[in-house]
Amino acid sequence: EDQVTQSPEALRLQEGESSSLNCSYTVSGLRGLFWYRQDPGKGPEFLFTLYSAGEEKEKERLKATLTKKESFLHITAPKPEDSATYLCAVEGGGFKTIFGAGTRLFVKA
Amino acid sequence: DSGVTQTPKHLITATGQRVTLRCSPRSGDLSVYWYQQSLDQGLQFLIQYYNGEERAKGNILERFSAQQFPDLHSELNLSSLELGDSALYFCASSASLAGTYNEQFFGPGTRLTVL
Repeated sequence: EDQVTQSPEALRLQEGESSSLNCSYTVSGLRGLFWYRQDPGKGPEFLFTLYSAGEEKEKERLKATLTKKESFLHITAPKPEDSATYLCAVEGGGFKTIFGAGTRLFVKA
Repeated sequence: DSGVTQTPKHLITATGQRVTLRCSPRSGDLSVYWYQQSLDQGLQFLIQYYNGEERAKGNILERFSAQQFPDLHSELNLSSLELGDSALYFCASSASLAGTYNEQFFGPGTRLTVL
C-alpha cells in the first residue's frame, strides 16, 4: 500500500538555525514526489517536484532532495516567515496522490 | 493566487442535508482533484477527474459524488451529511500533460460545517 511518513511532526527553530525535514515513502511506480507549504486555513502552495533519485531542486532558502526511499527538505537560515506546515506527497502508478501528515515548522525571531 | 477558484468559501448546514461544492481549475488545466482536510487528519485524496473522465478514486464515501463538466469545472456533491463531514474541502488542478510533472495547484478551499 502506498504510504508517506513525515518527520518530525513539529520543529521549532531559532531564526538562522538550519535544519531538515524528512519524508519517507513507499509507492508503486513513482510518478512524482511533491513538496507543498500550507499556511493555516489556506490551500497548499506548490514548492517542488522531484522525480528521480539524486534529483535536487532549490528555491530561496529551501532545497529538496530525493533518494529511492525518502526526500529531504533542507531549510537554510530560516526566517519567521518560513513558519508553516510543510507537506510531502507522492503520486504513484495508479494516479492516486498520497499526502503525508506534514511537519509544522515554527521559526522564532 | 493559484488561479483555482472554489465556491462557496463557507457553508453551514444541518445533518442529513445535501450540498454542492464548486471548483474552477486554472486556465488550460485538464485535471481536477478533490481533497478533504479535517482537524485531526491530513489531506485525504477523494477523487481525480481528467478531461471529464474519472481517473483515480481515493477514500471517497458512497454518500459523496463528483463530476467534471465539458468546460472543465467540477462539482463535489455531499449528501446525507453527518457531523463528521465537517472539514475543509480543497480542489486542485494540474495540467496533466504527457511528459510533464503533475504538480497540483490548490484553491482556497470550502469550509463545511455540519450542525
